[in-house]
Amino acid sequence: AQKVTQAQTEISVVEKEDVTLDCVYETRDTTYYLFWYKQPPSGELVFLIRRNSFDEQNEISGRYSWNFQKSTSSFNFTITASQVVDSAVYFCALSERNQGGKLIFGQGTELSVKP
Amino acid sequence: GAVVSQHPSRVICKSGTSVKIECRSLDFQATTMFWYRQFPKQSLMLMATSNEGSKATYEQGVEKDKFLINHASLTLSTLTVTSAHPEDSSFYICSARGSSGGAYEQYFGPGTRLTVT
Repeated sequence: AQKVTQAQTEISVVEKEDVTLDCVYETRDTTYYLFWYKQPPSGELVFLIRRNSFDEQNEISGRYSWNFQKSTSSFNFTITASQVVDSAVYFCALSERNQGGKLIFGQGTELSVKP
Repeated sequence: GAVVSQHPSRVICKSGTSVKIECRSLDFQATTMFWYRQFPKQSLMLMATSNEGSKATYEQGVEKDKFLINHASLTLSTLTVTSAHPEDSSFYICSARGSSGGAYEQYFGPGTRLTVT
């Protein structure tokens, strides 16, 4: 069965702190895709990254970085030097190749960055 | 990137009435559209998958007679909440996948907030 777990429901940090959002997934498929989305208070989902199961390279994009480890079925997201504008709910999601593009979302982590 | 619109962005209706929500892919052809529902402080849950020209596939526990989905063209899918009740109040989000395939080519609309009084 496919499942995504984001154990951290809420995280609160002070501006400029680094913060890591955890994501653990379960799947029986060997080909799958992992995603991170940001959902600000407006509600619109903002796509951050996609990773396929064959690409374990870590990625850095500005203050954002992602650590994908198949050995632990984790796809963690780190924000370096957090800013108030980073405050949002962040979702990790999984899509299996044989599921026609359906996304299974984690429960989400609400990040609050205080000035 | 590709753009998906939803209309209306917000709707308030009375209990017992029906509400139609439109999801449009503005600059690409969407062979598949997905409808998600999100209750406050909760995650997105897939309701159904619709493919152009065929019947929608509903997830377990979603009433197909209550949530009517029509994907009549490659750029438009509609979700009609029939005989809405206060418990149907939620944030409804659609996403669209292009015809070139690839599990990752999925674009989300801005969502529709439904309030049933």
